[in-house]
Amino acid sequence: DVKVTQSSRYLVKRTGEKVFLECVQDMDHENMFWYRQDPGLGLRLIYFSYDVKMKEKGDIPEGYSVSREKKERFSLILESASTNQTSMYLCASVESQGRGNQPQHFGDGTRLSIL
Amino acid sequence: KQEVTQIPAALSVPEGENLVLNCSFTDSAIYNLQWFRQDPGKGLTSLLLIQSSQREQTSGRLNASLDKSSGRSTLYIAASQPGDSATYLCAAGSSNTGKLIFGQGTTLQVKP
Repeated sequence: DVKVTQSSRYLVKRTGEKVFLECVQDMDHENMFWYRQDPGLGLRLIYFSYDVKMKEKGDIPEGYSVSREKKERFSLILESASTNQTSMYLCASVESQGRGNQPQHFGDGTRLSIL
Repeated sequence: KQEVTQIPAALSVPEGENLVLNCSFTDSAIYNLQWFRQDPGKGLTSLLLIQSSQREQTSGRLNASLDKSSGRSTLYIAASQPGDSATYLCAAGSSNTGKLIFGQGTTLQVKP
């Protein structure tokens, strides 16, 4: 069965800290995504990666960076956390669309609070 | 730029009713249209995916339709149950990279 695992369900950090959110998938998917979800704004794409060491900015990349050193792992980094980055963060993965339409698979999310 | 809208934002129905959730999108050049379910505090679970060349998909009590010319998709839930209570999101796939543009969701409550 498909599995996307996010390392933390809840995380509390302080303003200015460097924060790492980890996501691992066990399906050998090429494409991985990081979203944030906020009330009234829905899900917004931060970054995505279509291969190891390859990344592309989404709609709201400011204040974030990503790392994909191995195919199964996609990390989201908050370089210097700020209170406006308090949110629910969701990771997803999908097989390369070149092999046909496939649905995205999501992790359970990390609720991050920046104090 | 693709925009996806879901109306209504919330819906409450008695158990057993058939219901329709609506999704509209502005750019008809979509790759696919996906419906997800989200339970409180959880991630998203894929329900149905309709490829751009298809008109509908069915899974159990769920049926999703796609009309690209009008920029609309509907999710039909037959014989609703309290366990169907959740937020339902639709998302338009804009390319073969798998990127999705999400609507803000419809929160459904099915009352026993």
